[in-house]
Amino acid sequence: ETGVTQSPTHLIKTRGQQVTLRCSSQSGHNTVSWYQQALGQGPQFIFQYYREEENGRGNFPPRFSGLQFPNYSSELNVNALELDDSALYLCASSSHTLQSTGELFFGEGSRLTVL
Amino acid sequence: QKEVEQDPGPLSVPEGAIVSLNCTYSNSAFQYFMWYRQYSRKGPELLMYTYSSGNKEDGRFTAQVDKSSKYISLFIRDSQPSDSATYLCAMMTGGFKTIFGAGTRLFVKA
Repeated sequence: ETGVTQSPTHLIKTRGQQVTLRCSSQSGHNTVSWYQQALGQGPQFIFQYYREEENGRGNFPPRFSGLQFPNYSSELNVNALELDDSALYLCASSSHTLQSTGELFFGEGSRLTVL
Repeated sequence: QKEVEQDPGPLSVPEGAIVSLNCTYSNSAFQYFMWYRQYSRKGPELLMYTYSSGNKEDGRFTAQVDKSSKYISLFIRDSQPSDSATYLCAMMTGGFKTIFGAGTRLFVKA
């Protein structure tokens, strides 16, 4: 069974640039959620994708957008990067039937630094 | 006021001690309560989840939920240096969004 994989693991961008982060979900999982974890904080929910559509969104501006592909992999795109976007971005996969129990399977994250 | 409050620590204990980690919450609609463990430079991993008030035990770990007080706890018995990590409480209303606490950093000294 393959776990959740994310790429890249680290990246550095400058203010105003755009970034794309990628996630492959765990085998058998059809739902992907993205979280932002600032240093010393808990993960904050960005949005969730199910069946290639956004299934729910947290308190993040529209410059945070995403996609889910037919193979359930996903992308997180952030436009017009700001310094406060520096964080660990976590992808979590789950089976839709398990989502109600809160069982999320996380990748190791992509650490974004915005200069 | 945050929906979920968790003391960030750090909490330092000697090996073999009993550890108590706690969270309070304000949203009475939360139905599912989880504890995740996050090692440095890793993603969180689910340790335990509970649905109702009461205790749930799994090996050295016991999760406790008191809905009347809006208070949850995680107890670790016979703590080991390998338990050193950040422990995140998390809660759901049953929808798609999991709310996490800030995490408590735990250090278990050999």
